[in-house]
Amino acid sequence: AQKVTQAQTEISVVEKEDVTLDCVYETRDTTYYLFWYKQPPSGELVFLIRRNSFDEQNEISGRYSWNFQKSTSSFNFTITASQVVDSAVYFCALSVWGAQKLVFGQGTRLTINP
Amino acid sequence: AAGVIQSPRHLIKEKRETATLKCYPIPRHDTVYWYQQGPGQDPQFLISFYEKMQSDKGSIPDRFSAQQFSDYHSELNMSSLELGDSALYFCASSKLQGVYQETQYFGPGTRLLVL
Repeated sequence: AQKVTQAQTEISVVEKEDVTLDCVYETRDTTYYLFWYKQPPSGELVFLIRRNSFDEQNEISGRYSWNFQKSTSSFNFTITASQVVDSAVYFCALSVWGAQKLVFGQGTRLTINP
Repeated sequence: AAGVIQSPRHLIKEKRETATLKCYPIPRHDTVYWYQQGPGQDPQFLISFYEKMQSDKGSIPDRFSAQQFSDYHSELNMSSLELGDSALYFCASSKLQGVYQETQYFGPGTRLLVL
């Protein structure tokens, strides 16, 4: 069975601070996919990034960056120079080859204070 | 770009009533997923369909059923509603590329309140 753990339930920082959201996953499958989704107060789930198990290359997109480390089964998400609009619940999720349903972590509620 | 469409966006029902949620996937997507998100919880997978056939099943109550139609839209039918069914219901869609399933994109959700 697959499992995703986001140990940080809530994080609160002041605008312009950098913040890292942790994600640890468990799976016995060798081919799997990791995701981050953002859920703003309006409620929709917005896709941010996908990483395949065979591609450990880290990625940067503007103020967002992701650090995928298979050795520690982690897929952490960093927001640089945070902004109030980044306030949301962020979910890390996992799916495995052959069973495409997403298994979500518990989510981290991020609050950026002005 | 076109997104996943869900209707209705909000729904209020009484206990023991029936509800039908609709989902229209992104054009050319062939797979539809349903998820349930309770208050303060993470989304939980209910069921999925590929090319109108059920492809996977999660923790979906027997009171719920779903199907995918020839135009790829999907409907989630919920009967004998209970207070605990109050939740945000998401539909997501993706496209199968060979054996490789692409990213799931989510609709805005239907917020169901059972009184």
